[in-house]
Amino acid sequence: GQQLNQSPQSMFIQEGEDVSMNCTSSSIFNTWLWYKQDPGEGPVLLIALYKAGELTSNGRLTAQFGITRKDSFLNISASIPSDVGIYFCAGQRNDMRFGAGTRLTVKP
Amino acid sequence: KAGVTQTPRYLIKTRGQQVTLSCSPISGHRSVSWYQQTPGQGLQFLFEYFSETQRNKGNFPGRFSGRQFSNSRSEMNVSTLELGDSALYLCASSLATGFNTGELFFGEGSRLTVL
Repeated sequence: GQQLNQSPQSMFIQEGEDVSMNCTSSSIFNTWLWYKQDPGEGPVLLIALYKAGELTSNGRLTAQFGITRKDSFLNISASIPSDVGIYFCAGQRNDMRFGAGTRLTVKP
Repeated sequence: KAGVTQTPRYLIKTRGQQVTLSCSPISGHRSVSWYQQTPGQGLQFLFEYFSETQRNKGNFPGRFSGRQFSNSRSEMNVSTLELGDSALYLCASSLATGFNTGELFFGEGSRLTVL
């Protein structure tokens, strides 16, 4: 089963709205990664974070590595229809663990 | 630069049969890991190979096995298929030399349906 607590499980938003999702764990990680998966495809890496407190942007996406090293969040600004998909967080220390995913639906 | 390539993309098998899935990593990547993805359990780690050696294994029965060749290509095999083995099997490659460290780059997956 999943070892990271990712929330929310799903989101239904209007095009243009901002989105925020997060992952928490009882374990400390050295790396946090965020992936997006489209139906029938493999996950695609969006952002990788390597240092506690690090804030990194990739276009409209911004992610942060929590100071405690036990959490991370991903924000998407001004959502567009192609943002639809499932977003996964992954924490890495001695192995890679994944959250259960956040299913994002964007209504035009 | 070509991405991770998995074959076949789709396959249908019946219970009791066995299946072999193939993965070609990104050129230069020596670490290959396999994951099983199902709606109920999400992404679950199967095993990871580096330089032809299995470095770690997830909590799956012995029916699940894998190997890596000298060119870093990897195969996984599932024997005596069960209905519950129906899933998307994802392969990921990485440049990192440490176990399961570094950014993972996933293939599109092999969707297995067991009837």
